Amino acid sequence: GQQLNQSPQSMFIQEGEDVSMNCTSSSIFNTWLWYKQDPGEGPVLLIALYKAGELTSNGRLTAQFGITRKDSFLNISASIPSDVGIYFCAGGGYGGSQGNLIFGKGTKLSVKP
Amino acid sequence: DAGVIQSPRHEVTEMGQEVTLRCKPISGHDYLFWYRQTMMRGLELLIYFNNNVPIDDSGMPEDRFSAKMPNASFSTLKIQPSEPRDSAVYFCASNEGGVKLFFGEGSRLTVL
Repeated sequence: GQQLNQSPQSMFIQEGEDVSMNCTSSSIFNTWLWYKQDPGEGPVLLIALYKAGELTSNGRLTAQFGITRKDSFLNISASIPSDVGIYFCAGGGYGGSQGNLIFGKGTKLSVKP
Repeated sequence: DAGVIQSPRHEVTEMGQEVTLRCKPISGHDYLFWYRQTMMRGLELLIYFNNNVPIDDSGMPEDRFSAKMPNASFSTLKIQPSEPRDSAVYFCASNEGGVKLFFGEGSRLTVL
């Protein structure tokens, strides 16, 4: 089956630092999404990307849809303690089906005040 | 606005018992998804419905798992009989179509 390789698995950073994480696949996706999951909660959508090369921001978050359509990047600038959580990438729209997403294993972010 | 509502939030049961997880999607959403999350395998799609009809159940692990959606506002995921390896967090999600999913808070299942 299709798989997404998300890295790094975990990050420990100081408050104020910038964060970068990425997701790669051997398959092409028509859509890339980034979710954040807080402990005991469900994933919440942060950013959705629909076109190869697209660069989209949501506050301090910026994500890009790779030109090859096989990868995506998420950057968080000037991290704050509430950024702590697990960040998931997800690929969608493969095989003509939009609703079922393939998720990466997540990047666990810890922010030290 | 109410989000996706799941119950129970936590369930602890013994091997062999029947487990029923419930989901109420966001009103007006005609797609409903059941995902399972484990440390080893991450988030996996089990099944999804469109207008109450199951569209793709290829992710359902085996015959012990079944899902129904009797109406637009309610779905169940049933495991019978349950096994320890079924322990996971089960998420329900819904949307109006497209790729943006809205997840519930999940049901954490522990099978002893």
